[in-house]
Amino acid sequence: DAKTTQPTSMDCAEGRAANLPCNHSTISGNEYVYWYRQIHSQGPQYIIHGLKNNETNEMASLIITEDRKSSTLILPHATLRDTAVYYCIVRVAGYGGATNKLIFGTGTLLAVQP
Amino acid sequence: DAGVIQSPRHEVTEMGQEVTLRCKPISGHNSLFWYRQTMMRGLELLIYFNNNVPIDDSGMPEDRFSAKMPNASFSTLKIQPSEPRDSAVYFCASSRRGMDNTIYFGEGSWLTVV
Repeated sequence: DAKTTQPTSMDCAEGRAANLPCNHSTISGNEYVYWYRQIHSQGPQYIIHGLKNNETNEMASLIITEDRKSSTLILPHATLRDTAVYYCIVRVAGYGGATNKLIFGTGTLLAVQP
Repeated sequence: DAGVIQSPRHEVTEMGQEVTLRCKPISGHNSLFWYRQTMMRGLELLIYFNNNVPIDDSGMPEDRFSAKMPNASFSTLKIQPSEPRDSAVYFCASSRRGMDNTIYFGEGSWLTVV
């Protein structure tokens, strides 16, 4: 699995958009970009994933650059409850043996300020 | 649908005792993962199963750890004998195998070995 690079921490004002960057310059053509978050004392929570097109769901938007070497997770209106560690992971989706697993890095601690 | 269910949520045990953690994956999921999280090492994949068969146990720290999946709806992670350094949060996760193989996590089992 390709490695990712994320900032250690970020701050965001409540109500503003939170933009979390991720670099994955060695991503392979069949690897998706996944985002999870972990709120203190809870299990990791799936947010969104994408291959090359931008994706949006009820939680967030995912913007992937055309060369797929980086991406940005956007929380459009951050709330205090969005304070968490956000993990960007690249992983092959679909059928596979060893490629099914998620390997977590250290993530970005997003602190939403009132 | 119910999510991944883990038990116990919290356990405190004495060094040398056997610890058994339990997991019920999401119905219909056929891949199951055990992770461990500590402050020092973050989230580590211990072992995962496809169709009840262990595929990769390279993350299991030592022979004191063992995991089984006797059927599609139940898995155990056993530590015998337990040691203080085993204190951590243990997460179980599950997914389908296929194009939509998003992994979903349980809320974790908090283990303290004294």
